[in-house]
Amino acid sequence: GAVVSQHPSWVICKSGTSVKIECRSLDFQATTMFWYRQFPKQSLMLMATSNEGSKATYEQGVEKDKFLINHASLTLSTLTVTSAHPEDSSFYICKKHSRGNTNTGELFFGEGSRLTVL
Amino acid sequence: SQQGEEDPQALSIQEGENATMNCSYKTSINNLQWYRQNSGRGLVHLILIRSNEREKHSGRLRVTLDTSKKSSSLLITASRAADTASYFCARRPGGTSYGKLTFGQGTILTVHP
Repeated sequence: GAVVSQHPSWVICKSGTSVKIECRSLDFQATTMFWYRQFPKQSLMLMATSNEGSKATYEQGVEKDKFLINHASLTLSTLTVTSAHPEDSSFYICKKHSRGNTNTGELFFGEGSRLTVL
Repeated sequence: SQQGEEDPQALSIQEGENATMNCSYKTSINNLQWYRQNSGRGLVHLILIRSNEREKHSGRLRVTLDTSKKSSSLLITASRAADTASYFCARRPGGTSYGKLTFGQGTILTVHP
């Protein structure tokens, strides 16, 4: 069964509004979550790495004030797209990793959230 | 590009045929993974191959890794219409933290019944 629950699966919002996407670990604790973005017909690009209890690390070119990441608990990480604009329309996917699961390196993805900004 | 290259970008075959997708990269790796993504959906992990491995199998899937050429291939044998999806290679570059992956551009595979 799924080990990462991500929602919402779909969200449509008006330009200028903020949207929160949640990524929840269902089995064991996730000290680290990765957030990826995928534009249509393109590959996944890492946006940021969130660590429980500390500030997220953003990849070059990703605005930290626009994409707010909160990882306040060991099972939940959230990504908030603030003041969304049509160019933010994309598929956002979270992926978890735990220090306790470094053996195979197999990583667990959420089902993704498709954001459409009108 | 940091992402590396995958080829072909698109592949169209008939059911029963084999499909081969290739992935090249530029930096050293700890491991390389292959994922499948159905249209508009999340990712499904297929196979992970470590840098000290040369070949791995999983059912109809065979992955090879040539670190000297910095390339990997995914072979799907006896393809089925249900194999239609996008396939991505992803690697964990050497020296990076666990879990941080760099994805290739992907290959869109279409299997015709």
